Amino acid sequence: GQNIDQPTEMTATEGAIVQINCTYQTSGFNGLFWYQQHAGEAPTFLSYNVLDGLEEKGRFSSFLSRSKGYSYLLLKELQMKDSASYLCAVEDSNYQLIWGAGTKLIIKP
Amino acid sequence: IAGITQAPTSQILAAGRRMTLRCTQDMRHNAMYWYRQDLGLGLRLIHYSNTAGTTGKGEVPDGYSVSRANTDDFPLTLASAVPSQTSVYFCASRRGGDTGELFFGEGSRLTVL
Repeated sequence: GQNIDQPTEMTATEGAIVQINCTYQTSGFNGLFWYQQHAGEAPTFLSYNVLDGLEEKGRFSSFLSRSKGYSYLLLKELQMKDSASYLCAVEDSNYQLIWGAGTKLIIKP
Repeated sequence: IAGITQAPTSQILAAGRRMTLRCTQDMRHNAMYWYRQDLGLGLRLIHYSNTAGTTGKGEVPDGYSVSRANTDDFPLTLASAVPSQTSVYFCASRRGGDTGELFFGEGSRLTVL
């Protein structure tokens, strides 16, 4: 079966760095997405990786290793507004997105 | 403002009633999707449409139907609602069935009693 694993919850301190991991087992791979979802709101796009390596976009970076079925989202200089759930999704061989349950990130002052 | 509009934003419904959730996008995206989101679970695909006139079943299609008469609209119908369909429903779209990131509507919170 297809499976996406992420930690359920993480806590970090304002100004610090946090890494959210995502491991996957899917029928094929056509790319990996990270989305941010604030409580009661819609998910919003953060990043997309299709090749191995690190993609940097401001305070957020995303890494992919296809051979290991592994990705992480790195958030630097954490701000209180970064408190949200972070969703990992893999695009399978049929170009359908398979979603992880999300990681709830709590930022403490 | 370009984007996806869902209606209603919230609804309480008696079991056995018929309900249609509306979704409209103005980005001229070809592909549209309906997901449900439940606590502790990832987004689960209900139905999708890669282009106007075509639809497909996702992971959890039972009890739901969709239509795609034109590019902009993708309504989701619950023919006879049951309590297990209590959830938050998100409509999403992207440029193509295999292209680009998904853009999401604000969600419709449905409670079936």
